[in-house]
Amino acid sequence: DTGVSQDPRHKITKRGQNVTFRCDPISEHNRLYWYRQTLGQGPEFLTYFQNEAQLEKSRLLSDRFSAERPKGSFSTLEIQRTEQGDSAMYLCASSSNRDVFDTQYFGPGTRLTVL
Amino acid sequence: GQNIDQPTEMTATEGAIVQINCTYQTSGFNGLFWYQQHAGEAPTFLSYNVLDGLEEKGRFSSFLSRSKGYSYLLLKELQMKDSASYLCAAMDSNYQLIWGAGTKLIIKP
Repeated sequence: DTGVSQDPRHKITKRGQNVTFRCDPISEHNRLYWYRQTLGQGPEFLTYFQNEAQLEKSRLLSDRFSAERPKGSFSTLEIQRTEQGDSAMYLCASSSNRDVFDTQYFGPGTRLTVL
Repeated sequence: GQNIDQPTEMTATEGAIVQINCTYQTSGFNGLFWYQQHAGEAPTFLSYNVLDGLEEKGRFSSFLSRSKGYSYLLLKELQMKDSASYLCAAMDSNYQLIWGAGTKLIIKP
C-alpha cells in the first residue's frame, strides 16, 4: 500500500520566484488537502479537493497561491512571487469519504525556504 | 470562533504514564483526532473518538467528553521514541479539521 508522496522534499528559492509542489495521494482516496505548517504550530488549512473539484479554500490564502487536481488524482500547489513569509513546511494529506473516520493521511511534506 | 487548546510542552520519565489534555470549541463536531509528529516529519494518525468514552490501542488510549469539549491522550510505559509533538484536531460541521498547536513531549531516561 503506497502512502502519500510529495515532491520535492526540499525547495530553496529566491524571493519573487514561483514554485510548484506536487502531491500524489493514496490511490483510492478521493479527498486531498493542502496544509502549511511552521515551527511550533499545528497544520494550517490551505485548500481541499474532492475528486477534481476544489471545494474549499482558506480565506487567509492570498491570490499568489493556487492549487489544481486536474484528473482527480495528483495535485499541484503553486506559489507565485514567493515572499520570505512563505517559508514553511507544506503538507499534503488524503482521505476517503468511504472511510468511516475520514482519516487524513499525510505525506512527508515539502520544506520551502525563501531567501 | 473555533479553537483548540493544548499544553505547549510536557516532560515525563521513561516507563511512566503521561496524559495530554485538549479542549476544543468548534462549529459542529464530527470527531476528535490525535496525531503524533516527530521533529521534521509529517503527522501520523494515532486515534479517533466521536463517542464519549475511552478508546484503547496498545500503549495509547484516547478519551472524549463531548459535553465538556474535552479530550485526552494517555501514553503508558513511555519509551524514548515517544518523544514527539502530539497534535489534537477536531472535525467541524464541514468535516474540516481544526488543529491545535501541538504538545511537545520530552521523555527523560
